[in-house]
Amino acid sequence: GESVGLHLPTLSVQEGDNSIINCAYSNSASDYFIWYKQESGKGPQFIIDIRSNMDKRQGQRVTVLLNKTVKHLSLQIAATQPGDSAVYFCADPSRGGSYIPTFGRGTSLIVHP
Amino acid sequence: DAGITQSPRHKVTETGTPVTLRCHQTENHRYMYWYRQDPGHGLRLIHYSYGVKDTDKGEVSDGYSVSRSKTEDFLLTLESATSSQTSVYFCAIQNGAEAFFGQGTRLTVV
Repeated sequence: GESVGLHLPTLSVQEGDNSIINCAYSNSASDYFIWYKQESGKGPQFIIDIRSNMDKRQGQRVTVLLNKTVKHLSLQIAATQPGDSAVYFCADPSRGGSYIPTFGRGTSLIVHP
Repeated sequence: DAGITQSPRHKVTETGTPVTLRCHQTENHRYMYWYRQDPGHGLRLIHYSYGVKDTDKGEVSDGYSVSRSKTEDFLLTLESATSSQTSVYFCAIQNGAEAFFGQGTRLTVV
């Protein structure tokens, strides 16, 4: 069936480095994606979204890139900080036309001071 | 946490016993969801509701039932808990395309 999935379960970086978290999706009809951040002991929280009519969207220290040709998106975090340590999910909110959030497995970002 | 409260936050129960988890929202949103989160599996949808008394199955619904008699409450029931249902359970509501999650319930079945 249709799915979204992240490429790596764990990503370790040094504080101050840039982080890139990748996600692939299979539903070519998907037109909207959301990145969520889940800190330890909490539920996921919205970070940034992107629609399929865009290739790039920037937030405060985050950038999401969307490549519809290869059905791939990435979340880039600039100057990674210890507070960025969390599990990151890409989500495809569409499922058969109804917006039921479907999540990938998540990438655990570990930031070393 | 967008007005979502899950209860209990932690529970230990014995195999074969019934368990009900409660999700309460104060936002009056139509769509509510129950997910379970396990290592290596991410968030998997158990059941969802699109209104009072309107519910449907997700990808891992076996062994679970739900009820929604009021807009604000969405209950998840394990009729006879099994060890495979040890997990962290998250309730979510939906505002547009964005989901807002509760703090989670850690359920251990021994």
